[in-house]
Amino acid sequence: GNSVTQMEGPVTLSEEAFLTINCTYTATGYPSLFWYVQYPGEGLQLLLKATKADDKGSNKGFEATYRKETTSFHLEKGSVQVSDSAVYFCALSDPPSGGSNYKLTFGKGTLLTVNP
Amino acid sequence: AAGVIQSPRHLIKEKRETATLKCYPIPRHDTVYWYQQGPGQDPQFLISFYEKMQSDKGSIPDRFSAQQFSDYHSELNMSSLELGDSALYFCASSNTREKRQQYFGPGTRLTVT
Repeated sequence: GNSVTQMEGPVTLSEEAFLTINCTYTATGYPSLFWYVQYPGEGLQLLLKATKADDKGSNKGFEATYRKETTSFHLEKGSVQVSDSAVYFCALSDPPSGGSNYKLTFGKGTLLTVNP
Repeated sequence: AAGVIQSPRHLIKEKRETATLKCYPIPRHDTVYWYQQGPGQDPQFLISFYEKMQSDKGSIPDRFSAQQFSDYHSELNMSSLELGDSALYFCASSNTREKRQQYFGPGTRLTVT
């Protein structure tokens, strides 16, 4: 079955530091890959996505590249801010061939804390 | 832009009671997904509906049932509530053209005491 493995946290960084959160996946087909962010007490917000190999998703200074050869979708940001403190979830959707259900499979989440 | 609406936002119930959670998808979205997120956990898929028909089922207890109505809103009914049902319940919606893009609601926080 499908699965997502992301680096365990918590991750604590100083403001302006470089961020990497690793994510690898297992899927039977050709999944789409996502990063979602969850701020304290709030719902899930889509941060970025990539739908095919070598696609790069980017948003708000965050980037992730869909690497089929390494089955990875690592999240990076060059200079984090205090406001980036949140839980980050890597996720995939991989419907069966001819299927129409695009349910998401999530990783366990990584808590990021950025200190001033 | 219109977003996914969930109600209520917070719900407190006692053990063995029932609860109904409602989800109103983005207009013209035809698919609804329900997820459960326990404390400190990742969201787990429960069930989904496409054009008012159940399209997939995940780790949803038999005590739970759900449906999608003619106006595409969905309700998750939970009976014989247990302490372990305390969680954040998310609804997400998508449309036919952007099947892989799900838009999440703010969630309903259910506390069972």
